[in-house]
Amino acid sequence: IAGITQAPTSQILAAGRRMTLRCTQDMRHNAMYWYRQDLGLGLRLIHYSNTAGTTGKGEVPDGYSVSRANTDDFPLTLASAVPSQTSVYFCASRDFQSREYNEQFFGPGTRLTVL
Amino acid sequence: RKEVEQDPGPFNVPEGATVAFNCTYSNSASQSFFWYRQDCRKEPKLLMSVYSSGNEDGRFTAQLNRASQYISLLIRDSKLSDSATYLCVVRGGYALNFGKGTSLLVTP
Repeated sequence: IAGITQAPTSQILAAGRRMTLRCTQDMRHNAMYWYRQDLGLGLRLIHYSNTAGTTGKGEVPDGYSVSRANTDDFPLTLASAVPSQTSVYFCASRDFQSREYNEQFFGPGTRLTVL
Repeated sequence: RKEVEQDPGPFNVPEGATVAFNCTYSNSASQSFFWYRQDCRKEPKLLMSVYSSGNEDGRFTAQLNRASQYISLLIRDSKLSDSATYLCVVRGGYALNFGKGTSLLVTP
């Protein structure tokens, strides 16, 4: 089934630990995005990638890094997790070339708790 | 000031009611407009795009007023299954800007 997968589904992490959230899409979309969603704050963009090999900073990039070695994968790394990074993380993708190029598809999310 | 503003609600309405959500955006150069739906603890999904001439999809009608930088969503004949959070979304460049969402609860 085509779509976006994220792993893990949920994670409890000790502060100071390194963590990588995985995101894979099989739709061959050009662009991929990472958002965090917090109660009362809505969805905020962390990092994005318009094509393999390029990345950019979103609204809240501090404490996070990304890479885009190929079209399908877009991992998000927390180098040293802090409690304020407790959130639900959504990966998304978009295809610039398709008729529905405006639609952004989301993965099921990763619920991260940093203690 | 957040780029996309919505009334957070919650809106509690009985089945069969008509309910309207409003949204304003601050960037006059914004190019595309959408309503997304998000069910509890799930990912957002596109409900409908919003066009300048207004558009309808079944019981849902979306309107855009570029001069006032205002977007609306009207839901007619509400169903229990319409209970969700509705996100107003605006594209101004490389990514989407999301409102915080308006919560709708349709009751029997």
